[in-house]
Amino acid sequence: EAGVAQSPRYKIIEKRQSVAFWCNPISGHATLYWYQQILGQGPKLLIQFQNNGVVDDSQLPKDRFSAERLKGVDSTLKIQPAKLEDSAVYLCASSLGGTGANVLTFGAGSRLTVL
Amino acid sequence: LAKTTQPISMDSYEGQEVNITCSHNNIATNDYITWYQQFPSQGPRFIIQGYKTKVTNEVASLFIPADRKSSTLSLPRVSLSDTAVYYCLRGSARQLTFGSGTQLTVLP
Repeated sequence: EAGVAQSPRYKIIEKRQSVAFWCNPISGHATLYWYQQILGQGPKLLIQFQNNGVVDDSQLPKDRFSAERLKGVDSTLKIQPAKLEDSAVYLCASSLGGTGANVLTFGAGSRLTVL
Repeated sequence: LAKTTQPISMDSYEGQEVNITCSHNNIATNDYITWYQQFPSQGPRFIIQGYKTKVTNEVASLFIPADRKSSTLSLPRVSLSDTAVYYCLRGSARQLTFGSGTQLTVLP
């Protein structure tokens, strides 16, 4: 089966510019996650969707980050305006969802460098 | 947030068995324990998941004692390609929080 697709793989922008990342989850996966991974740290959950509804966005910096999952399939994560500290890899993951155990399948990530 | 504690790093030699222990003192009744492996420039990859006692698959074993306050990932006969960061997660449908992970380095 096809994996989780993410684009772009790499992006370099200057601070205060905007950037958008796209994710297409595994077909049939109801739950979609965006994680931020700063170099040397574990992934940090930014937002979790169940179909097209937000389940958890408690760690999303809402003054500059936004995410949507229209139609409950693919998703876009936007940063506007970007700060130096936003330099990180943005990982998208998906799972079947529902209650109980969840096994996440991750994409390769989108590496953002803010200059 | 559902926190876990793991050693920052471990070294091993090829062919040895490696055990990585994770502490999760405040685990909830609905929480499962899941381990992921991450190579540089890649997303984490699922290794194994369990709720209690012992689970084994083709790449690893997971031991969870009765009190479920810790878990141990066991990698039999590691090779150089097992050099990676290993993450322990606790959670169910939500609160799937990664810790800092354990950097395993396998030496020849």
